[in-house]
Amino acid sequence: GAGVSQSPSNKVTEKGKDVELRCDPISGHTALYWYRQSLGQGLEFLIYFQGNSAPDKSGLPSDRFSAERTGGSVSTLTIQRTQQEDSAVYLCASSVGTINEQFFGPGTRLTVL
Amino acid sequence: TQLLEQSPQFLSIQEGENLTVYCNSSSVFSSLQWYRQEPGEGPVLLVTVVTGGEVKKLKRLTFQFGDARKDSSLHITAAQPGDTGLYLCAGGSNYKLTFGKGTLLTVNP
Repeated sequence: GAGVSQSPSNKVTEKGKDVELRCDPISGHTALYWYRQSLGQGLEFLIYFQGNSAPDKSGLPSDRFSAERTGGSVSTLTIQRTQQEDSAVYLCASSVGTINEQFFGPGTRLTVL
Repeated sequence: TQLLEQSPQFLSIQEGENLTVYCNSSSVFSSLQWYRQEPGEGPVLLVTVVTGGEVKKLKRLTFQFGDARKDSSLHITAAQPGDTGLYLCAGGSNYKLTFGKGTLLTVNP
């Protein structure tokens, strides 16, 4: 497809379990972003990739959160030992060029019971 | 820390009315983007403005970037139920976008 895709669309897990969220950016987009969106809150920046490198990880809430990107394409966000406060929609976006117009995927809704 | 404040937070109007949503900051941005998000979906880019004072029109939507590139407004003329959604502004600086918390617009038939 032409757009950003994310999987799974929904994930329900138990507290303490690890989860992996996947993002497939638009082909050729060198920049990739992860955001978290909670009810009533704006988009919270998590991490920025340029190619396979992550020059800005400043938004990761704790060391339970990590992300990687391989082949300048697919990215995985991993949350270890999930907590109830991790419940949110996790959005991925990709962009290319200097103006940084970001194109978003549909998100993964994570629910931690 | 760059912050973007959007107002109003909630807006419920009747079909055919006009409305304006505001996005304000004390920081200067190199670009200002507006997105619309519907339930269960990711934000969709509506417009990007990069020049102070710039005005862009997209059908019934008019976007303006402030002269000092610190604020922006979105005006919708003759709103329709299909305009219902969460409107987000985002200020661009280098590689990063700073998002406002959004304006939730409901247009009633």
